[in-house]
Amino acid sequence: DSGVTQTPKHLITATGQRVTLRCSPRSGDLSVYWYQQSLDQGLQFLIQYYNGEERAKGNILERFSAQQFPDLHSELNLSSLELGDSALYFCASSVAGGMETQYFGPGTRLLVL
Amino acid sequence: AQSVSQHNHHVILSEAASLELGCNYSYGGTVNLFWYVQYPGQHLQLLLKYFSGDPLVKGIKGFEAEFIKSKFSFNLRKPSVQWSDTAEYFCAVNPYSGAGSYQLTFGKGTKLSVIP
Repeated sequence: DSGVTQTPKHLITATGQRVTLRCSPRSGDLSVYWYQQSLDQGLQFLIQYYNGEERAKGNILERFSAQQFPDLHSELNLSSLELGDSALYFCASSVAGGMETQYFGPGTRLLVL
Repeated sequence: AQSVSQHNHHVILSEAASLELGCNYSYGGTVNLFWYVQYPGQHLQLLLKYFSGDPLVKGIKGFEAEFIKSKFSFNLRKPSVQWSDTAEYFCAVNPYSGAGSYQLTFGKGTKLSVIP
């Protein structure tokens, strides 16, 4: 157990819908990262937050957005869902958002029908 | 842009065989290097990491990796695999990407199947 929690574990929804994935970082970690794992693209970095502020953006679609709240938990919002958004979404956290180790949560498996 | 290459997509070994999984990265600056493992149905777990110092690093479960800077490589090794090592292995690089951000770039992963 890495100490990073994610809810829900599984999510099934329809095309065009909007969902919210939630992540709580390890106690004391200020930085949260979101990754998408799909069969064709592999593991891809989406976005990073540090202490409530967006720090870096990766291959995140405009339909996707995220935020980090004052209690440091983070939410990833996915809207206008398409079939191709079906994937495993991982959250990771690290102490300060630098070159230290990132610890991963169990992931949320999203299935868009 | 930086990239990470893992040469083997799927490796099949018998128990007690030795393992070496290749990983090469393309980035000219300072990097941290990681190997993560993902057991079936589970999340990513850190196997080992290299930040600086001795280029031969030891991780959990008997795994080790060697950083060869001149070859931009960070290969994972284990002298004798067990059935429980069946998993997918990801090499990752953490180079500086500007504005205080260090995002992980992952390789495509190598599936390891160990036959009892």
